[in-house]
Amino acid sequence: DQQVKQNSPSLSVQEGRISILNCDYTNSMFDYFLWYKKYPAEGPTFLISISSIKDKNEDGRFTVFLNKSAKHLSLHIVPSQPGDSAVYFCAAFAQGGSEKLVFGKGTKLTVNP
Amino acid sequence: DGGITQSPKYLFRKEGQNVTLSCEQNLNHDAMYWYRQDPGQGLRLIYYSQIVNDFQKGDIAEGYSVSREKKESFPLTVTSAQKNPTAFYLCASSIDRMSLQYFGPGTRLTVL
Repeated sequence: DQQVKQNSPSLSVQEGRISILNCDYTNSMFDYFLWYKKYPAEGPTFLISISSIKDKNEDGRFTVFLNKSAKHLSLHIVPSQPGDSAVYFCAAFAQGGSEKLVFGKGTKLTVNP
Repeated sequence: DGGITQSPKYLFRKEGQNVTLSCEQNLNHDAMYWYRQDPGQGLRLIYYSQIVNDFQKGDIAEGYSVSREKKESFPLTVTSAQKNPTAFYLCASSIDRMSLQYFGPGTRLTVL
């Protein structure tokens, strides 16, 4: 049972345009969400997070939106740059639950020059 | 220069051999984790440890074993009982179980 779903395995955008990566979750106990970025043969690095008490968090070019009623979050990258090309993992955490980080399968973003 | 180190970067073993993957952190983190990544898959939790001398099974612990004798070290042994050991293995640590996890660079294990 996949609790965190990233339904798009890949996404391709032009440099300078917006990239939107989507993530859906099924467990209503999740109350903290993170996005990690991963380059090939490297460990993931933390990108941005959002608590369930907020619906938006912004950090430079990166914005995460959370829609609790739809159990959906999205990562917006504006403007996209070729260096953003990587695999992006959505992850969720239930502070009052199992307290284990649950990852989606990832979306491979390619930003074309 | 604080961080998480995993060695070696690439590891090759023959089928039927046990192999131990190293993970060391100098971040003074209490919690440490082992994940496995397969192509097209997310990160799946193998084992985690919240404190020295204590560890719990994750979602895919079968065929793996760990130890946590020191705060900074959390080695993972891939035993011959693991049916599909070839994968990319990632170690992570966090201040405590509720905090942000930081990842090491990973070890790619190939079993021939």
